[in-house]
Amino acid sequence: DADVTQTPRNRITKTGKRIMLECSQTKGHDRMYWYRQDPGLGLRLIYYSFDVKDINKGEISDGYSVSRQAQAKFSLSLESAIPNQTALYFCATSDSRQVDTQYFGPGTRLTVL
Amino acid sequence: DQQVKQNSPSLSVQEGRISILNCDYTNSMFDYFLWYKKYPAEGPTFLISISSIKDKNEDGRFTVFLNKSAKHLSLHIVPSQPGDSAVYFCAASGLGQAGTALIFGKGTTLSVSS
Repeated sequence: DADVTQTPRNRITKTGKRIMLECSQTKGHDRMYWYRQDPGLGLRLIYYSFDVKDINKGEISDGYSVSRQAQAKFSLSLESAIPNQTALYFCATSDSRQVDTQYFGPGTRLTVL
Repeated sequence: DQQVKQNSPSLSVQEGRISILNCDYTNSMFDYFLWYKKYPAEGPTFLISISSIKDKNEDGRFTVFLNKSAKHLSLHIVPSQPGDSAVYFCAASGLGQAGTALIFGKGTTLSVSS
């Protein structure tokens, strides 16, 4: 089984809808991250969490919110989706004892019509 | 402004030859650099890393070189294999950069032909 899983893998939604992307990990890592990938732009950090009670904004947090429900779960919400949030979204985890190496999930392809 | 730059969007190499992927950075606060490989429909996977206190790190066919004075690093793959065809991302981290979150380049697509 994969160490970092993301659900759903693909999602098509309409402008204005609320949507939640979920991430779970079995690696036992304390740190979790959400990134967005757009064609030609690499990966950009949306939010990150160093433990259950710690949430931090990344480079492009506007229009997004997150929830760290447990050490193993980190969800990303789009309260009112807009077309320019169409992208590939990746969750990642890392161990605070080896902080610089992050392990990524398979990604969620989100399309906002 | 981009802090991690991969100026070559693509690279084509023949099987058995050397692949050299380049990455430049602008922030001298970065103290750790990583390369990730990404296949279509998969998440990025960690490949190799290097600390700023070193100038070379080798792992099998993969070697990363760091030139701090030039703020430049490169990934060498020798010999290249068709299975190496993927998008390669350079990433950097360091104090003051959103904790330990990574700053990624835009990626270089490597195509290895047999």
